[in-house]
Amino acid sequence: AQSVTQLDSQVPVFEEAPVELRCNYSSSVSVYLFWYVQYPNQGLQLLLKYLSGSTLVESINGFEAEFNKSQTSFHLRKPSVHISDTAEYFCAVSDTGRRALTFGSGTRLQVQP
Amino acid sequence: DARVTQTPRDKVTEMGQEVTMRCQPILGHNTVFWYRQTMMQGLELLAYFRNRAPLDDSGMPKDRFSAEMPDATLATLKIQPSEPRDSAVYFCASGLGQNTDTQYFGPGTRLTVL
Repeated sequence: AQSVTQLDSQVPVFEEAPVELRCNYSSSVSVYLFWYVQYPNQGLQLLLKYLSGSTLVESINGFEAEFNKSQTSFHLRKPSVHISDTAEYFCAVSDTGRRALTFGSGTRLQVQP
Repeated sequence: DARVTQTPRDKVTEMGQEVTMRCQPILGHNTVFWYRQTMMQGLELLAYFRNRAPLDDSGMPKDRFSAEMPDATLATLKIQPSEPRDSAVYFCASGLGQNTDTQYFGPGTRLTVL
């Protein structure tokens, strides 16, 4: 069984400032890691995922996340946020046996002008 | 633009009534997931299917919930009888069946049980 912890329920940040959303996971087996984003009144959309290879993965809109096996973390970062990045962000894992995702509790990113 | 569709988008019902939520997965996807989102519990897996067969429904209250895939283009989630604690947003997602695969989420059904 796996679990995902997102310590920050809300992260307020000013526009153009950098941001980091933290994610830690627990699993007894190898996992795949995902970040999903949910805009208000919408379903979740994949932001980026780590499967294997380079531990740094990037999205098309400037987010990146780094897989750190020793710290069991997969923090999400962006060097300069925009108002349009305001949304809820979910970290999730899946393992080699169970295809369904286990989600963290989510972090609400609030970008202020 | 292929998308997962869900109906209805919003449902308000009274306690004790039957509720049926429908999901149309992306054409060609063979895996369908049902998740429930609440403020208290966050996102929880209720059930998932591969090639229309249920693989895991351990997250679903068995006494009142049932999930089926009558065919490859339709998944249903039923609650009978509904209770106020069932109020939540129910998401359907579909994928190609690999655990590395992206799951594509529908817009959700917001259920309110009075």
